[in-house]
Amino acid sequence: QQQVKQSPQSLIVQKGGISIINCAYENTAFDYFPWYQQFPGKGPALLIAIRPDVSEKKEGRFTISFNKSAKQFSLHIMDSQPGDSATYFCAASGRGSARQLTFGSGTQLTVLP
Amino acid sequence: DAGVIQSPRHEVTEMGQEVTLRCKPISGHDYLFWYRQTMMRGLELLIYFNNNVPIDDSGMPEDRFSAKMPNASFSTLKIQPSEPRDSAVYFCASSLARRGGARTDTQYFGPGTRLTVL
Repeated sequence: QQQVKQSPQSLIVQKGGISIINCAYENTAFDYFPWYQQFPGKGPALLIAIRPDVSEKKEGRFTISFNKSAKQFSLHIMDSQPGDSATYFCAASGRGSARQLTFGSGTQLTVLP
Repeated sequence: DAGVIQSPRHEVTEMGQEVTLRCKPISGHDYLFWYRQTMMRGLELLIYFNNNVPIDDSGMPEDRFSAKMPNASFSTLKIQPSEPRDSAVYFCASSLARRGGARTDTQYFGPGTRLTVL
């Protein structure tokens, strides 16, 4: 019930291409869906986040698409760059006072020059 | 702001020894989280505090693990005795409940402590 399933586990994209990472959740109480980016040797950092009242959010080259009925959300990276090479985690948290994030398993993205 | 500060950055110890990891959250933040990251299990929430009070410790793997937050600017995660399977990167994160009256959920992670138990 609390799981967030993420795919693919790894992704290789050519420079300039589109990277797409998908996540699915089961708990309908989730109301906050962030994506975190982690570089080697660093802690995860918030990249972009969405709440279920909108179906899409765009920040620069990064877009979250959210499908409430399917309980799925995805991260799209347009014009992928070698500097985007990192591990990406989707996550979700619920309403009320609970603040814990449930993380997906992570996707290691490699953007080839 | 200096961000979340963790120490030490690397710790190598022998099985059976006590290990203490330290965290200083971002000033003014009222939530503090401890995570463990491994290749096999990914990012796992161990425990989190709100206003220095432990709220949920269901992720703490066993009694060998304990966490404290004696004040708003300091927390420790202790493992006693340590075992090789405890080898992982341990992250501390902090967040602010509300900003300008609106709920915020962003967690700010520290650089982590890489623990190796031989």
